[in-house]
Amino acid sequence: GENVEQHPSTLSVQEGDSAVIKCTYSDSASNYFPWYKQELGKRPQLIIDIRSNVGEKKDQRIAVTLNKTAKHFSLHITETQPEDSAVYFCAANLGANNLFFGTGTRLTVIP
Amino acid sequence: NAGVMQNPRHLVRRRGQEARLRCSPMKGHSHVYWYRQLPEEGLKFMVYLQKENIIDESGMPKERFSAEFPKEGPSILRIQQVVRGDSAAYFCASSVWEVMNTEAFFGQGTRLTVV
Repeated sequence: GENVEQHPSTLSVQEGDSAVIKCTYSDSASNYFPWYKQELGKRPQLIIDIRSNVGEKKDQRIAVTLNKTAKHFSLHITETQPEDSAVYFCAANLGANNLFFGTGTRLTVIP
Repeated sequence: NAGVMQNPRHLVRRRGQEARLRCSPMKGHSHVYWYRQLPEEGLKFMVYLQKENIIDESGMPKERFSAEFPKEGPSILRIQQVVRGDSAAYFCASSVWEVMNTEAFFGQGTRLTVV
């Protein structure tokens, strides 16, 4: 099955700084890579995703990059704000139907 | 659209009892996924179902766990003879099409505590 590794497990940044979270995956057939944000006690929610036919995607302060050759992808959050504090999960698909998640990164934005 | 609804939100069971977790997907969604989240850990895939069919249960423990998604009604995750190690948050997600072609929406989760 797919194996997704995520680093770091915790990340603290000053408000306004950038945050970068990195993931690697094992199955070279994976072609869909979503990122989910989970606030304390709440459900995971999709914030951005990328497919293997592109190398980068941006949505306001959030961007994701994908390197298929190296089998890694990253989430970049610029101009971080306190409300960005949450646990972020990367995921990769195995086939059409399964998503395998990383172990999560707890991001703390310090005001 | 009320979103993915899970109930109960919190469930306490004594060791040896049965736990039944319910998930109503979003309207129009026929793909349902169950995930388990242990404290301070990620989401672990358990099972993927479509109406009346289990498509992939490779993440389900071989014993005591079962899932169904009947033609009518919610999807059910059943844990028989619960043990302390079953304590976790169980999330279900639903999607319109296969997960790689459309967003998977998560429910609020059911937090199971085994005492």
